[in-house]
Amino acid sequence: EVQLVESGGGLVQPGGSLRLSCAASGFTFSDHYMDWVRQAPGKGLEWVGRTRNKANSYTTEYAASVKGRFTISRDDSKNSLYLQMNSLKTEDTAVYYCAIVATILEDAFDIWGQGTMVTVSS
Amino acid sequence: QSVLTQPPSVSGAPGQRVTISCTGSSSNIGAGYDVHWYQQLPGTAPKLLIYGNSNRPSGVPDRFSGSKSGTSASLAITGLQAEDEADYYCQSYDSSLSGSAVFGTGTKVTVL
Repeated sequence: EVQLVESGGGLVQPGGSLRLSCAASGFTFSDHYMDWVRQAPGKGLEWVGRTRNKANSYTTEYAASVKGRFTISRDDSKNSLYLQMNSLKTEDTAVYYCAIVATILEDAFDIWGQGTMVTVSS
Repeated sequence: QSVLTQPPSVSGAPGQRVTISCTGSSSNIGAGYDVHWYQQLPGTAPKLLIYGNSNRPSGVPDRFSGSKSGTSASLAITGLQAEDEADYYCQSYDSSLSGSAVFGTGTKVTVL
């Protein structure tokens, strides 16, 4: 069974840092692009960023709202995706989801994790 | 700020047909990028409903259908059922944002 499990969320003060993890299983993680998507309480979905696979040099892309503050990385040997969040702002409060980008499905987000909540507040 | 616009809400009685529009521009849907649709039931993660404008992943009922024309796309739900009450989001990519993924504003479907 394909599964994504996020962890690492919690309460952090403005200006602080947090590292989220996404553990993948049930598929060949190293073959896939992986994205982070977030959802503020009561709001819609917002794309955060992407890491491509080794064949595409692990390049990354970020939304303008997080560029320069957030860093996406991956460890294919551990089937894990990470989101390092620095200089956090109150507007970063959201549920953070990791998702598989399915190139065979025209780059749709095929499978999503259950999400992990990040609260930025003093 | 979302670059794809959806109606905030649509509603229908059981058995009826409802449609959700997703309006973009020449830099996203109109540029030829595919549109995908996701269903988010209350308190759960989004689930892929339609990919590549009109294709259903395995397990998605054929009551759900998608289409795309010009700078817009639509999701139709026929034979509306109580379990279809959820939030629905369209998603595409945008060349003005360096090919980044973009989501629609979301639509709440209410079954009367």
